[in-house]
Amino acid sequence: GAVVSQHPSWVICKSGTSVKIECRSLDFQATTMFWYRQFPKQSLMLMATSNEGSKATYEQGVEKDKFLINHASLTLSTLTVTSAHPEDSSFYICSARVARQGASQAEQYFGPGTRLTVT
Amino acid sequence: SQQGEEDPQALSIQEGENATMNCSYKTSINNLQWYRQNSGRGLVHLILIRSNEREKHSGRLRVTLDTSKKSSSLLITASRAADTASYFCATGMNSGYSTLTFGKGTMLLVSP
Repeated sequence: GAVVSQHPSWVICKSGTSVKIECRSLDFQATTMFWYRQFPKQSLMLMATSNEGSKATYEQGVEKDKFLINHASLTLSTLTVTSAHPEDSSFYICSARVARQGASQAEQYFGPGTRLTVT
Repeated sequence: SQQGEEDPQALSIQEGENATMNCSYKTSINNLQWYRQNSGRGLVHLILIRSNEREKHSGRLRVTLDTSKKSSSLLITASRAADTASYFCATGMNSGYSTLTFGKGTMLLVSP
């Protein structure tokens, strides 16, 4: 099956610093990647949709200047949490959609997640 | 919002028993999907059911969809300890490249 990786798996950083999280589709091309955040024992909340070669589309309430998304290639999207604060501590999960004409919505594969802790 | 709502929030059963989780949503959908998440890990897609389908099977999984009641159920038969995880339903508005809206999830604990 298609594999999506995230790096790092977990990161602890100090308040005010920026953290970059990578999401890679390892064996397929993905024109679209999604970024979610998940607080403990809660559901996934979509933050933004990342399209290769264009600007990301952010969900309402998500600050685009704080959560910078870059989708520079068909296999890589990055999420940078700028000037992180303790309230940004969360589990960040990406997913990638297969870039194939007629691909169903089911062909969306999730990464293992990145746990961010801001102290 | 058409966020799905799962119930129960948590479920504890013994190995070999069946586990049933329910999901309700608010608006019309094109499809509904069930995902599994092990603690602190990413999501694994389990099954997709389209709005014109009423039931679908995959191994020990059985999913039903009742669009008149805007609800779906996931049945895991003959549960195993390895089935311990959180289960989420997610709804899709159309068959194209729309986003998924996730419910709050059901935590399932299967004891040996």
